[in-house]
Amino acid sequence: DSGVTQTPKHLITATGQRVTLRCSPRSGDLSVYWYQQSLDQGLQFLIQYYNGEERAKGNILERFSAQQFPDLHSELNLSSLELGDSALYFCASSPPRGTGAGYTFGSGTRLTVV
Amino acid sequence: SQKIEQNSEALNIQEGKTATLTCNYTNYSPAYLQWYRQDPGRGPVFLLLIRENEKEKRKERLKVTFDTTLKQSLFHITASQPADSATYLCALEADYKLSFGAGTTVTVRA
Repeated sequence: DSGVTQTPKHLITATGQRVTLRCSPRSGDLSVYWYQQSLDQGLQFLIQYYNGEERAKGNILERFSAQQFPDLHSELNLSSLELGDSALYFCASSPPRGTGAGYTFGSGTRLTVV
Repeated sequence: SQKIEQNSEALNIQEGKTATLTCNYTNYSPAYLQWYRQDPGRGPVFLLLIRENEKEKRKERLKVTFDTTLKQSLFHITASQPADSATYLCALEADYKLSFGAGTTVTVRA
């Protein structure tokens, strides 16, 4: 157990639907990051939150949105799903910069759009 | 544009040998560089972080070097074991986001 909890582990849904992925960061970490990894593709950065505020955005589609709540858990909302959205979605958290620690990743949510 | 390139998509080595992976980057001025391990279907696991003022860092059988002039990091696995078989990712941070290279898949043959 890495300390970062992602639910659900697997999700199968139809095109056009909307899903919500949930992430609880490691205790004490204020930053949460979302990544997408398609089959045989690299990790693509989607978005970062720090203590409830959006801090950085990658190539996140307009159909996707995220937020971080006061208890620091985060949700990634994916809507109008397309077949190409099928991928592994990872959440990561990190301590403040300068600590020498890297990111801690969750085990991911495998999304299959049919 | 910013790029992180990891030479060799795949590396096959004999057990006991040293695996050497390369990470080159362009248009970054990193304060530090990170290496991760990823097993199939699993999340990446942080291995090592090396700062710009550190030339070399070691952790057990792992060694990382960082040359900011060449814009390159080398990652070594010494005395490799079949359990070291995985994909290894180089990562750099800029503008609060950590970007990853495509990774090098290492297979260690017994």
